[in-house]
Amino acid sequence: DGGITQSPKYLFRKEGQNVTLSCEQNLNHDAMYWYRQDPGQGLRLIYYSQIVNDFQKGDIAEGYSVSREKKESFPLTVTSAQKNPTAFYLCASSPGLIKNEKLFFGSGTQLSVL
Amino acid sequence: AQRVTQPEKLLSVFKGAPVELKCNYSYSGSPELFWYVQYSRQRLQLLLRHISRESIKGFTADLNKGETSFHLKKPFAQEEDSAMYYCALSRNTGTASKLTFGTGTRLQVTL
Repeated sequence: DGGITQSPKYLFRKEGQNVTLSCEQNLNHDAMYWYRQDPGQGLRLIYYSQIVNDFQKGDIAEGYSVSREKKESFPLTVTSAQKNPTAFYLCASSPGLIKNEKLFFGSGTQLSVL
Repeated sequence: AQRVTQPEKLLSVFKGAPVELKCNYSYSGSPELFWYVQYSRQRLQLLLRHISRESIKGFTADLNKGETSFHLKKPFAQEEDSAMYYCALSRNTGTASKLTFGTGTRLQVTL
């Protein structure tokens, strides 16, 4: 079954703790993205990666970090520096072949602070 | 800076009535615009994009550069159209599709 898998579905973070959200895709896509969604707001881009071993900051990268060691994986770490981490996090991918391709989204991870 | 505005949080229409979901944008470059949809308990997915000039599930959207709008329209609403709709603007960066999303409009189609 091809697609994007995000885990866990729900995640709780304690104060001062780093947590990592997983995103895996078996679509053989080059480009991957992390978006954050807050109630009443649109999706905002955190980080994106066009190719393995390369990634770029999005609009709200502060307090987050990513890695892209494998084509199929793009984990997002929410660090203790992120003061307002409670949000719904969406991972997406696109083939990365041409401009303006459609994005394929995962089912999301809801992160809450204890 | 680029921005996408969807002025309505909720749009409620009767089945068979016309639908228009509004989207306005601000962008200094040449815009590439999309509509994404999220049905209940499903993932966010692409509905249509302006460069394709396509009609998907009876929906169309025309880019009006003069009014900086990309409204989504359907002549006759169906119950299965009830969903959350997001307008998005693409900022090209190589082959990555960096999208700026609007806040979304929930379409509710009632009998």
